[in-house]
Amino acid sequence: QIALEESGPALVNPTQTLTLTCTFSGFSLSSGVAVGWVRRPPGKPLEWLALIYWDDTKFYRPSLRGRLTISKDTSKHQVVVTMSDLDPLDTATYYCARGGDPYFDFWGQGLLVTVS
Amino acid sequence: YVLTQPPSVSAAPGATATIPCGGSNIGDKRVHWYQQRPGQAPVLVIFDDNSRPSGVSGRFSGFNSGEKATLTISRVEAGDAADYYCQVWESGGDRVVFGGGTELTVL
Repeated sequence: QIALEESGPALVNPTQTLTLTCTFSGFSLSSGVAVGWVRRPPGKPLEWLALIYWDDTKFYRPSLRGRLTISKDTSKHQVVVTMSDLDPLDTATYYCARGGDPYFDFWGQGLLVTVS
Repeated sequence: YVLTQPPSVSAAPGATATIPCGGSNIGDKRVHWYQQRPGQAPVLVIFDDNSRPSGVSGRFSGFNSGEKATLTISRVEAGDAADYYCQVWESGGDRVVFGGGTELTVL
């Protein structure tokens, strides 16, 4: 059974760096597999953030490229994303999901992060 | 690359709801659709234009051609009320693109 779970702080101060961890089970980050991060700010639509492949290829949302870093620990079944220089506009529910190229087939339940 | 969706669509129970997703030559891309109910994570309901994941109702179908993709929900039920998003992988820009989302209201 495939599952993903996001973890990290619920409240972060402006200008700080946010670190979110996605711990997954039921699959491995092996050939052909990717894990991505998506967020949804309150009252706004889904917004893709970053994607990492089994071979460590990484892609980022262009408008956030300088603030985002995605990494993986295959042995721990984890994908980590960091976002620097947080702003209240970064307040959102953050999701990790399997896939992304071309679609996300399994999602975590999401983690609400408030920047204030 | 931009995907355009209407902010809202409404349908009566038992009727058919159609949600469009517009994009330049979108017919040349594979389109995927997600349902997001309030307070829940998104769920994939259609992938590769018109394929349904295991467990998704046969009332959900998709079509993609030219400048528009469409998600159709037949025999709409109260539980279908949700936000629906189209999504593509833009290979030229190496990125995931979501539409702005459409809120389906069941009257």
